[in-house]
Amino acid sequence: DAGVIQSPRHEVTEMGQEVTLRCKPISGHNSLFWYRQTMMRGLELLIYFNNNVPIDDSGMPEDRFSAKMPNASFSTLKIQPSEPRDSAVYFCASSLAPSGGASYGETQYFGPGTRLLVL
Amino acid sequence: AQKITQTQPGMFVQEKEAVTLDCTYDTSDQSYGLFWYKQPSSGEMIFLIYQGSYDEQNATEGRYSLNFQKARKSANLVISASQLGDSAMYFCAMISDNFNKFYFGSGTKLNVKP
Repeated sequence: DAGVIQSPRHEVTEMGQEVTLRCKPISGHNSLFWYRQTMMRGLELLIYFNNNVPIDDSGMPEDRFSAKMPNASFSTLKIQPSEPRDSAVYFCASSLAPSGGASYGETQYFGPGTRLLVL
Repeated sequence: AQKITQTQPGMFVQEKEAVTLDCTYDTSDQSYGLFWYKQPSSGEMIFLIYQGSYDEQNATEGRYSLNFQKARKSANLVISASQLGDSAMYFCAMISDNFNKFYFGSGTKLNVKP
């Protein structure tokens, strides 16, 4: 079975450019999470979706970040315009959780991550 | 508020010895789950083991076991017979019944010495 798929795996861009990260969750999973990992701040949850609906975006750093999940098999995280401080590894994860959001015991499976470098 | 604390930024262990990685958590929820993930230098996050708050027995998965002490709110990971391939960052995480999101600790970097 395919795991969580992320693309691109690496992205180098210049400050001010738009960056789009893509994620395909595990088939059948109904929750999707976007994380950012840096040395300084560790793993941060940016946003998560349940049944394609954004449930909590309180971790999104600012208006330059936006995320969409148009269907159950695809999500994007967009940064526009990008800044050097956005350089990080961005992970997408998915899990199978009951509708409504309350869950425990449902392991999140992570994608390989996208290493973003903004020059 | 939910919180996960890993107090050991880095640890060394001799190959073939056992090692315990500490994790404490804070939650007012009665129902929650605790997870451990491994992140090798290649960067991927690998799920290792899960413990539910109502599980009476400590979880075990091969060489991994979780020393769950509910009253002390600790969920330490025990790796038996360490191998060189165990060298990695290890993250403790919690999910509570009221929130469908993980709270991660800051991680412990484990180095296994030959």
